[in-house]
Amino acid sequence: AQSVTQLGSHVSVSEGALVLLRCNYSSSVPPYLFWYVQYPNQGLQLLLKYTSAATLVKGINGFEAEFKKSETSFHLTKPSAHMSDAAEYFCAVSEYTGRRALTFGSGTRLQVQP
Amino acid sequence: SQTIHQWPATLVQPVGSPLSLECTVEGTSNPNLYWYRQAAGRGLQLLFYSVGIGQISSEVPQNLSASRPQDRQFILSSKKLLLSDSGFYLCAWSVPPLGNTIYFGEGSWLTVV
Repeated sequence: AQSVTQLGSHVSVSEGALVLLRCNYSSSVPPYLFWYVQYPNQGLQLLLKYTSAATLVKGINGFEAEFKKSETSFHLTKPSAHMSDAAEYFCAVSEYTGRRALTFGSGTRLQVQP
Repeated sequence: SQTIHQWPATLVQPVGSPLSLECTVEGTSNPNLYWYRQAAGRGLQLLFYSVGIGQISSEVPQNLSASRPQDRQFILSSKKLLLSDSGFYLCAWSVPPLGNTIYFGEGSWLTVV
């Protein structure tokens, strides 16, 4: 079964600092990987996705993630945090068989300090 | 373009009362449909998914059920709500083949009192 682990349920950075949110996956086949963002009381919005093309994936709002097969990781980064980046971020892996749904990590809440 | 509508946005229901949350998708045909639940301070749990009309798969034994009476309509129901059913419910859709993005509705807040 596929799974996702997000290290750190809360991350706090200063405005302008590097954002790094960690995600490790477990999969027996090459995965599709996603990062979603959730603002308070809203649904989830796709930030970016990896589907076996380029290993460095660029998304919206200046975020990017790098797929590293050797480390089974898909960490999310942004060079300079903005106050509007404060939200909860979810990493997810897509399944190839069976329920054909996304399996999500437990989420990381990003706080941006002025 | 495709859109997803989910309602009601907020619901406060007493224990033992019924529940009906509805979701419709516009602008696409034969989507995969999903219900997820997000409990307070926790991640997202897949409750049900459907790959076609009348085809429902349940992920977790629970007090809820789902139905898909039309191609782009997905309904989450309960006959008798429990306190533990409280949470944020998200409907979502995707277009096969596998690997395509899953798109989420705005969610429904359910508080069982």
